[in-house]
Amino acid sequence: DVKVTQSSRYLVKRTGEKVFLECVQDMDHENMFWYRQDPGLGLRLIYFSYDVKMKEKGDIPEGYSVSREKKERFSLILESASTNQTSMYLCASSGEETQYFGPGTRLLVL
Amino acid sequence: QKEVEQNSGPLSVPEGAIASLNCTYSDRGSQSFFWYRQYSGKSPELIMSIYSNGDKEDGRFTAQLNKASQYVSLLIRDSQPSDSATYLCAVKGGTSYGKLTFGQGTILTVHP
Repeated sequence: DVKVTQSSRYLVKRTGEKVFLECVQDMDHENMFWYRQDPGLGLRLIYFSYDVKMKEKGDIPEGYSVSREKKERFSLILESASTNQTSMYLCASSGEETQYFGPGTRLLVL
Repeated sequence: QKEVEQNSGPLSVPEGAIASLNCTYSDRGSQSFFWYRQYSGKSPELIMSIYSNGDKEDGRFTAQLNKASQYVSLLIRDSQPSDSATYLCAVKGGTSYGKLTFGQGTILTVHP
């Protein structure tokens, strides 16, 4: 069965903190994605990775970076968290076609 | 013009009725089309995928694709209150890496 897991369901951080969001998939997928979802704005792609150590910017990469050292793990990093990064963060993975989503991390930056 | 547009909601139907969700896309090179369902506070889950023109049925769900009109739809027959959710249309273009473009979503409410 398809499984994508995310390290935290809820997270509260302070402005300026460095934040790590982890995503792990067990399907041997090449492609992994990080989105944020905000009311009225839909799903917006932050970064994606098509292979280990390979990454591409999505639509809103500013303020974020990513790391993919192993095929199964894709990390999203907020270098210095700001209040406008309060959001639901969704990780997904795919082969050539279907994306499967993790449960999401709801991040609150105070 | 948005790349993937869905009919504006919210959409409200009575229990047992047919719910019709529509989606248009701008990239003629798009190859694959997906419908996701997202319950409030949860992540999107895949309910249907369609790759060729015509209809594809899975239980109470039917996806319809018309590439000439750049149109894809989802019909939900015998709608149930448990179908109340946001439905996301997603389109995969000619590029690889599995990258999808999502519509804004249509909120469906099925009332008893």
